[in-house]
Amino acid sequence: GDSVTQMEGPVTLSEEAFLTINCTYTATGYPSLFWYVQYPGEGLQLLLKATKADDKGSNKGFEATYRKETTSFHLEKGSVQVSDSAVYFCALSDLGTGNQFYFGTGTSLTVIP
Amino acid sequence: GAGVSQSPSNKVTEKGKDVELRCDPISGHTALYWYRQRLGQGLEFLIYFQGNSAPDKSGLPSDRFSAERTGESVSTLTIQRTQQEDSAVYLCASSLMYTEAFFGQGTRLTVV
Repeated sequence: GDSVTQMEGPVTLSEEAFLTINCTYTATGYPSLFWYVQYPGEGLQLLLKATKADDKGSNKGFEATYRKETTSFHLEKGSVQVSDSAVYFCALSDLGTGNQFYFGTGTSLTVIP
Repeated sequence: GAGVSQSPSNKVTEKGKDVELRCDPISGHTALYWYRQRLGQGLEFLIYFQGNSAPDKSGLPSDRFSAERTGESVSTLTIQRTQQEDSAVYLCASSLMYTEAFFGQGTRLTVV
């Protein structure tokens, strides 16, 4: 069945460091891929998405490229800020399974000044 | 409304009582999802409604949990005979086909 595997946390970085959070997926059809972010005490918000192979999603300085050959959707940011401290969830939606959403376990990021 | 609305935002209940959690999805969204998030944990899938199709109930942890949805509108998640391990944030999300899911702020359930 469909699933998402993402890098275990927690991750602690200094401000302005480079961030990578790995995400790989298994899907039976042609999934859309998403990164969601959950700031402390808040609900989940969509950060970025990609709907087909080789698409790059980007938002707020974050980027992720849909790599079908490696079934990956790694999240990157060149220079993190303290305000990026949050939990990040990788997710997929697969029409082959009726548009059901599958989420990774989440990666907690703390950025220190 | 503009977003997914959940009520109540907080609920404290005594062990053994029944609770009902409500979700108002974004108007027109055919899909509705319920997830559970325990403190410091990821999202645990509970149930998925898509249009008029039979719901996917494969994530419901026990027969104490049930959910209904009226057409493409409001959904209610009911937990009977609550236990302390039911304490969590219950998240609802809705979506159109082919698009991202939009989440509500959640209902924080505390069973004492």
